[in-house]
Amino acid sequence: QQQVKQSPQSLIVQKGGISIINCAYENTAFDYFPWYQQFPGKGPALLIAIRPDVSEKKEGRFTISFNKSAKQFSLHIMDSQPGDSATYFCAAHNAGNMLTFGGGTRLMVKP
Amino acid sequence: DAGVIQSPRHEVTEMGQEVTLRCKPISGHNSLFWYRQTMMRGLELLIYFNNNVPIDDSGMPEDRFSAKMPNASFSTLKIQPSEPRDSAVYFCASRSLSASRGEQYFGPGTRLTVT
Repeated sequence: QQQVKQSPQSLIVQKGGISIINCAYENTAFDYFPWYQQFPGKGPALLIAIRPDVSEKKEGRFTISFNKSAKQFSLHIMDSQPGDSATYFCAAHNAGNMLTFGGGTRLMVKP
Repeated sequence: DAGVIQSPRHEVTEMGQEVTLRCKPISGHNSLFWYRQTMMRGLELLIYFNNNVPIDDSGMPEDRFSAKMPNASFSTLKIQPSEPRDSAVYFCASRSLSASRGEQYFGPGTRLTVT
């Protein structure tokens, strides 16, 4: 019940295109949903996050869409750039102050 | 701030040897997390400290793994004896009480190879 399922595992997008990564969860006790971005050789870094009482949050080219009834949320990267090439992790936060991470999506944006 | 500092960055050791990974959290952060990252299992939380006290160690794989946080600025993760299946990247992350939920700051990781 603590799992967060993420898809796809890998994604190739042309420069300027839209990258979409999806996540689903089961535990309704999760209370915050962050996305992390990880470049090769680096630790993950917080990218954007959303509360479960909000359906959408946008920061620049990055948007989270959240569907509470379906227990799904997704990351959209508009106008994808080669510099966005990285591994993206969705996560879910519980009241115990811990994060459960999805399996990760390796994004490659082709010039 | 220098961010979360981990050492060593790379460690190669032989099976059966003891391995100690070190972490210095961001000053003022009072929560510290140890994660393990592998291709097969992704990012797994091993143990979580709050104010230097272990809160949840349910992710620690077995008794070969132990973690300590003797003070607010230092933590260690020890594997004794090490096995090839322990090969992974180990991350330390820290968090401030005033940070938003889910906001953790990760170190650069230690890549461990056990031969």
